[in-house]
Amino acid sequence: DQQVKQNSPSLSVQEGRISILNCDYTNSMFDYFLWYKKYPAEGPTFLISISSIKDKNEDGRFTVFLNKSAKHLSLHIVPSQPGDSAVYFCAASVTNAGKSTFGDGTTLTVKP
Amino acid sequence: EPEVTQTPSHQVTQMGQEVILRCVPISNHLYFYWYRQILGQKVEFLVSFYNNEISEKSEIFDDQFSVERPDGSNFTLKIRSTKLEDSAMYFCASSESTSRYLRYNEQFFGPGTRLTVL
Repeated sequence: DQQVKQNSPSLSVQEGRISILNCDYTNSMFDYFLWYKKYPAEGPTFLISISSIKDKNEDGRFTVFLNKSAKHLSLHIVPSQPGDSAVYFCAASVTNAGKSTFGDGTTLTVKP
Repeated sequence: EPEVTQTPSHQVTQMGQEVILRCVPISNHLYFYWYRQILGQKVEFLVSFYNNEISEKSEIFDDQFSVERPDGSNFTLKIRSTKLEDSAMYFCASSESTSRYLRYNEQFFGPGTRLTVL
């Protein structure tokens, strides 16, 4: 049972434009939603999170939107930079210190 | 900046052998985790550890696996008798003990140990 899904394996955008990465989940018990960024040969790096009672959380160029009724979240990166090129994982957790359940990842390529 | 470290970076072993993967979490963190990523697949949770005991484990974490915090700094994952399908990147992570209302306790990941079982 794939509880967290990222349906787009890859995304390519031009530098300066908006990157939108999408994620769907099935488990209604999830209370925290997370985005991680991963470069090759490195571990995932936490980017941003949102709790289930909010619908938006912003941190600099990164904004996460949560639509709880649709069980959907998205990560917006504005403006996109070449250094943002990486694999982005959506993840979810039932508690604020619990395990992260990961999606398959989306490879973002930002072209100069 | 404090970081999670893992050793070795790459471990090659024969099927049936025991391996111990080592992690040094960030010093003031009290929650510890192991995840793995088989090549081409998603990152999967294995086990979490708090207050010197396992707090949660996945179905992957069977009797062949064990974790230990032998001293105040190391956190280890032992695989007793490795199988070919144990070949993967193994990531250790840690997070603070502070419970912050409506805020997720960010997990800091190490660089991983690539385990190859031949």
